[in-house]
Amino acid sequence: DAGVIQSPRHEVTEMGQEVTLRCKPISGHDYLFWYRQTMMRGLELLIYFNNNVPIDDSGMPEDRFSAKMPNASFSTLKIQPSEPRDSAVYFCASIRGGQGYSPLHFGNGTRLTVT
Amino acid sequence: SQQGEEDPQALSIQEGENATMNCSYKTSINNLQWYRQNSGRGLVHLILIRSNEREKHSGRLRVTLDTSKKSSSLLITASRAADTASYFCATDASYTGTASKLTFGTGTRLQVTL
Repeated sequence: DAGVIQSPRHEVTEMGQEVTLRCKPISGHDYLFWYRQTMMRGLELLIYFNNNVPIDDSGMPEDRFSAKMPNASFSTLKIQPSEPRDSAVYFCASIRGGQGYSPLHFGNGTRLTVT
Repeated sequence: SQQGEEDPQALSIQEGENATMNCSYKTSINNLQWYRQNSGRGLVHLILIRSNEREKHSGRLRVTLDTSKKSSSLLITASRAADTASYFCATDASYTGTASKLTFGTGTRLQVTL
């Protein structure tokens, strides 16, 4: 199992620029989650998908954030325009539903720095 | 706000000692999970305990759950330097097993020295 794969691992950008984070979930997993981790707020759920359909995006902080899942093996989280307060580590995680209480499988995250 | 609050925030022990971390939460849950996060990496699932269980073991890990006090503890016995990491509890209020209502605590940073 390759695990959840995120890219890039690090992203440094200037305020106002568009940022796109990418995630490949574990094959066969039908739920995909995007989290954001900061020192101040800890780990926050932004949005999650089931079978490529967004189910709950109530954690998305602003309209500047958007997420898509065009197919079962790829998802993106886009920030446009980016702001310094968006600096954080963004994690993607996936599970296979219907298996009882499956643990989340996390990627290694993308560390975003907006200057 | 965080569902789970962990204490201590940081813990430093010597190799071979036991480490105990506590987690308190506010609302009723279906299960509680513990995760480990090494520096610069994603979270890794350690153990899950269901609301109708009181204690669970996995290798050197022992987890307890007291639903009346809304608290859990994670004990790592005979700690090793490789156990150095942050540990998070996560409460699951969902009954669907889809982690859709999984809420993470603030974490305990464990340092194990030689």
